[in-house]
Amino acid sequence: GAGVSQTPSNKVTEKGKYVELRCDPISGHTALYWYRQSLGQGPEFLIYFQGTGAADDSGLPNDRFFAVRPEGSVSTLKIQRTERGDSAVYLCASSLKGPGGVETQYFGPGTRLLVL
Amino acid sequence: AQKVTQAQTEISVVEKEDVTLDCVYETRDTTYYLFWYKQPPSGELVFLIRRNSFDEQNEISGRYSWNFQKSTSSFNFTITASQVVDSAVYFCALSPQNVKTSYDKVIFGPGTSLSVIP
Repeated sequence: GAGVSQTPSNKVTEKGKYVELRCDPISGHTALYWYRQSLGQGPEFLIYFQGTGAADDSGLPNDRFFAVRPEGSVSTLKIQRTERGDSAVYLCASSLKGPGGVETQYFGPGTRLLVL
Repeated sequence: AQKVTQAQTEISVVEKEDVTLDCVYETRDTTYYLFWYKQPPSGELVFLIRRNSFDEQNEISGRYSWNFQKSTSSFNFTITASQVVDSAVYFCALSPQNVKTSYDKVIFGPGTSLSVIP
């Protein structure tokens, strides 16, 4: 079946611009996660959605970052006034989250963001 | 503190050699999950294994095996008879289970880059 998909695969923007990154989770997965991976490092948690609500956004670095998931499926990560330090690969993952259970997160291919 | 350490930044082996990737974790939670993910040059993280803290039985899957030792907080990964296609960055990850939260925050280690030379 289809995995997690992310668009665009690459995004080049100028400092100060606004960008949106999209994630389509695996069909039926209720939980969705955003991570940021800088060069040579492991992914760092940004935000987690259970359904439509952001259950934990403690990983968002500052208020320039925002994410939505209005219908409980597709999610958009939004970055305002981009800075060069925002350059990274942004990864999305989804899992079939049941009550009290732990489910494996499956990752998309990522969006490589470059801020010039 | 919740932390995952992968002390080996880069490893190179010749094809058909065995290689072990080390992973040491820290957590105060008594219930947690450990994972290994593979990230090939294409960039997509591929799930390899999940192990819960109450199951210390070692696992073998084909050429892959995992050694979980709670006493040393280690979850090492061995590839037997390595192949060029095994070349990738491998991440060990920890998901502490806190009864007050309802989700699985995953903490990744810095990764080990494995190169298998033909």
